[in-house]
Amino acid sequence: QKEVEQDPGPLSVPEGAIVSLNCTYSNSAFQYFMWYRQYSRKGPELLMYTYSSGNKEDGRFTAQVDKSSKYISLFIRDSQPSDSATYLCATLSSGNTGKLIFGQGTTLQVKP
Amino acid sequence: NAGVTQTPKFRILKIGQSMTLQCAQDMNHNYMYWYRQDPGMGLKLIYYSVGAGITDKGEVPNGYNVSRSTTEDFPLRLELAAPSQTSVYFCASRDRARGDQPQHFGDGTRLSIL
Repeated sequence: QKEVEQDPGPLSVPEGAIVSLNCTYSNSAFQYFMWYRQYSRKGPELLMYTYSSGNKEDGRFTAQVDKSSKYISLFIRDSQPSDSATYLCATLSSGNTGKLIFGQGTTLQVKP
Repeated sequence: NAGVTQTPKFRILKIGQSMTLQCAQDMNHNYMYWYRQDPGMGLKLIYYSVGAGITDKGEVPNGYNVSRSTTEDFPLRLELAAPSQTSVYFCASRDRARGDQPQHFGDGTRLSIL
């Protein structure tokens, strides 16, 4: 079983739609959860992070962690064509190495 | 503000050739990482370093080597290129191992082995 699993999509939505991206993880010891956004031919960049359970909101983006079900979500409201990218969920590995464990990434296309 | 710089951006190798992928960061970060990204597979950790002179294997280290003689540079060496090493390679760095600190990525090296 992979430590972090993510549906690779692709996902195509019309502009203005609400987008839901999801991941599951296997190790209940994981505490930090991140979403990275990767544009075509670019490196990933951190979009949001959350610690433990709960929600975190930043503009049109909301990250949600449910530790009881080991479920991570990213919601995008009023999606824009500029949101078209690959979204990668990740969690911080245990130990003091800063290693991240990534999901497979979901490719999102927002059509005008 | 350069951040993480990777060279070259593209390369085609023949089977059995060797090459070094270069990675440099100007943020004085101790932690550095090499990943490979294959379509639909996410990012797989190849090697990482927690400081100059210290390196360790990640999830998929076979066929690769690294060195870390300075804080700034973290080159990745392919000794005998194989078609299975065709991929996009990303280097990353971070300031601390804490979860609220982002990893900063370069823009990748696209490597094809024929």
